[in-house]
Amino acid sequence: ETGVTQSPTHLIKTRGQQVTLRCSSQSGHNTVSWYQQALGQGPQFIFQYYREEENGRGNFPPRFSGLQFPNYSSELNVNALELDDSALYLCASSLGGLAGNTGELFFGEGSRLTVL
Amino acid sequence: KQEVTQIPAALSVPEGENLVLNCSFTDSAIYNLQWFRQDPGKGLTSLLLIQSSQREQTSGRLNASLDKSSGRSTLYIAASQPGDSATYLCAVRFQKLVFGTGTRLLVSP
Repeated sequence: ETGVTQSPTHLIKTRGQQVTLRCSSQSGHNTVSWYQQALGQGPQFIFQYYREEENGRGNFPPRFSGLQFPNYSSELNVNALELDDSALYLCASSLGGLAGNTGELFFGEGSRLTVL
Repeated sequence: KQEVTQIPAALSVPEGENLVLNCSFTDSAIYNLQWFRQDPGKGLTSLLLIQSSQREQTSGRLNASLDKSSGRSTLYIAASQPGDSATYLCAVRFQKLVFGTGTRLLVSP
């Protein structure tokens, strides 16, 4: 069974640039969610995708967007990067359904983004 | 507002002690609660998942309890070891998943 994998592991961008982070979900999982974790804080929910549709979003501006592909892998895109976007971005996969995502979450190792 | 609080923020114990980590939440209408472990700079490792209809879950030296009516969960770690040193995060699924800020645990040999 393949776990959740994320790429890249580290990257550095400058303010105003755009970034794409990638996530491959665990085998058999159909739901992917993304989180932002600032240093010393708990992860903050960005959004969730179920069968290629966004079905939940946290308090993040529209410049944070995503995609889920037919194989349930996912991308997080952030436009017009700001200094405060520097954080660890975590992807989690689970087995969810239309009624909601109540399954156990499995996380990847994260992508560490630094915005200069 | 749905919030999750973890106390204490940090804990230092000698090896072999039994310890309890606390998680409280503001709304009893939850789907489930999950405990995670996070090593520095790493992702989250799932420890235990408790569904809203359950009262506790056990895995090895770990036991997690859930009391929805009082908005509390505890993670009990028996016979702590230096390898248990990490940050422990509680995550509560309301309509969306909300994390606490974690408890940093240091177990000294």
